[in-house]
Amino acid sequence: GAVVSQHPSRVICKSGTSVKIECRSLDFQATTMFWYRQFPKQSLMLMATSNEGSKATYEQGVEKDKFLINHASLTLSTLTVTSAHPEDSSFYICSARVPETQYFGPGTRLLVL
Amino acid sequence: DAKTTQPNSMESNEEEPVHLPCNHSTISGTDYIHWYRQLPSQGPEYVIHGLTSNVNNRMASLAIAEDRKSSTLILHRATLRDAAVYYCILTPRGSGGSNYKLTFGKGTLLTVNP
Repeated sequence: GAVVSQHPSRVICKSGTSVKIECRSLDFQATTMFWYRQFPKQSLMLMATSNEGSKATYEQGVEKDKFLINHASLTLSTLTVTSAHPEDSSFYICSARVPETQYFGPGTRLLVL
Repeated sequence: DAKTTQPNSMESNEEEPVHLPCNHSTISGTDYIHWYRQLPSQGPEYVIHGLTSNVNNRMASLAIAEDRKSSTLILHRATLRDAAVYYCILTPRGSGGSNYKLTFGKGTLLTVNP
């Protein structure tokens, strides 16, 4: 089956720093990837859609200048949380689209102190 | 977007079958029915999807009502590793690129008792 990886799996950073999270499709190419965020005891919320070679599409209420997305190749999308603050602490999950469905990465736990 | 309704929680015993229901009365004729599950502290895992006919794979079976207004995910023999939140999600068939989105509801928390 299709495998999606994320790196790092867990990151702790100081307030004001930037953090980059990588999402890779390991055995297939994905022109479209998605980034989600999940707060404790809540469901996944879509943040943005990442399209290879073009600008990401952000959901309403998501700051595009704070959450920078780059999809430079068919197997890699990155999410950079700029000037992170404690309220950005969350579980970030990416997914990659295949025909008719999506496969998800294992998630990245971000803790901003 | 067509919405789905699932029970908040269900319980099952190990090695017994589990039937997880999902209502989607406003489903359109071109919507796929997807099921994902999420174990604690992990990303969602694809389980199964279908359009009109019942579907089977190594993980589960998907039974779709004739009018497509409801569906049931069937785990034939529950194990402790099946304890997770199960999400039933509709997506439009044939939508591409940024239009292909999964909207997660609260899902059903399945507890499996040993």
